[in-house]
Amino acid sequence: EPEVTQTPSHQVTQMGQEVILRCVPISNHLYFYWYRQILGQKVEFLVSFYNNEISEKSEIFDDQFSVERPDGSNFTLKIRSTKLEDSAMYFCASRRQGADGYTFGSGTRLTVV
Amino acid sequence: TQLLEQSPQFLSIQEGENLTVYCNSSSVFSSLQWYRQEPGEGPVLLVTVVTGGEVKKLKRLTFQFGDARKDSSLHITAAQPGDTGLYLCAGPGSSNTGKLIFGQGTTLQVKP
Repeated sequence: EPEVTQTPSHQVTQMGQEVILRCVPISNHLYFYWYRQILGQKVEFLVSFYNNEISEKSEIFDDQFSVERPDGSNFTLKIRSTKLEDSAMYFCASRRQGADGYTFGSGTRLTVV
Repeated sequence: TQLLEQSPQFLSIQEGENLTVYCNSSSVFSSLQWYRQEPGEGPVLLVTVVTGGEVKKLKRLTFQFGDARKDSSLHITAAQPGDTGLYLCAGPGSSNTGKLIFGQGTTLQVKP
């Protein structure tokens, strides 16, 4: 069964450092998303991406965040200057045209120290 | 603001018992989805309900969408330890970008 692949599975970074979280969505999916889940809290929407541009972003997705689909297969989330409160599980998800349900990756656990 | 509230937040039962998890909102949703999440993994889609009053079954799991499309329930019959996990309901936001709004989840523990 097709999967959404995320790397790395764990990332520890120092406050103020840049991190790039990588995702390979399912190949025939057209809609891509990043969500995050702080420990013990709800899964929160960060950003949606379609047709090579952001279609919606949440209040969390400020100037420190950016997304890219550099080569038609990878979908990356960059955090420019990490803060302690960025520590969370980050999930990439993709969806095909006309489908309601998403396929989520296994997530990247980001720990900012 | 669209919100989804799940209840209960935690449920610990014995194998063989039945249970129901609720997902409620004051907003109408065009559809609702149920996901199951294991520790350290991403949510996995179980079902999407689209029509008010719709009932879908997945083996021992029964999902219902409220007539007014503001609520949904998940009923598990004869729970097994393998059902242990975090159950999430989610619905599309009003912006039509496919963004999902999640409930806070129900953690289910089924003891053998």
